[in-house]
Amino acid sequence: GAGVSQSPSNKVTEKGKDVELRCDPISGHTALYWYRQSLGQGLEFLIYFQGNSAPDKSGLPSDRFSAERTGGSVSTLTIQRTQQEDSAVYLCASSLSGLALFEQYFGPGTRLTVT
Amino acid sequence: GNSVTQMEGPVTLSEEAFLTINCTYTATGYPSLFWYVQYPGEGLQLLLKATKADDKGSNKGFEATYRKETTSFHLEKGSVQVSDSAVYFCALSGAGSYQLTFGKGTKLSVIP
Repeated sequence: GAGVSQSPSNKVTEKGKDVELRCDPISGHTALYWYRQSLGQGLEFLIYFQGNSAPDKSGLPSDRFSAERTGGSVSTLTIQRTQQEDSAVYLCASSLSGLALFEQYFGPGTRLTVT
Repeated sequence: GNSVTQMEGPVTLSEEAFLTINCTYTATGYPSLFWYVQYPGEGLQLLLKATKADDKGSNKGFEATYRKETTSFHLEKGSVQVSDSAVYFCALSGAGSYQLTFGKGTKLSVIP
């Protein structure tokens, strides 16, 4: 079946511009996660959605970052006024439920470069 | 807070050599432990996991044992192949949690 898909695969933007990154989780998965993979910091948790519950935003690095999940499916991560330190690969993952017992399936990522 | 420390890479091995990638963790309670692998040009994939002390996770010839007393989850394979070349990430999920905390990753290159 189809895995987690993300778009775009690559995004180059100028400092100060806003960007939107999209994630399509596996159908039927109620939990959705965003992570960031950067050279200096490794893989960091950003935000978690579970069903219709309020998201856990505890990993978002600043208020320039926001995310939403519409209809319990597709999610969009928005970065406003991008900075060079935002350059990273943004990974989306989904799982059947939010318990650690359930495997998180990762998408291929969006590579963001801020110039 | 939770943290994962894994050995720095890169690691270069000859085909059929024995592999160990060390991983230790800090967490309260009883976390679940994972190894993820990222092959060149591909996304992260779960390689194996263990959810309680003394459990051994295994897959594709790789093994790791959850050692509570040493807070470790070292990855081993008896005979590596060129196709095992990838970046390996150790990770944990805290008890009752969903959020994965990752190590920095170890790049493995296997040469013929």
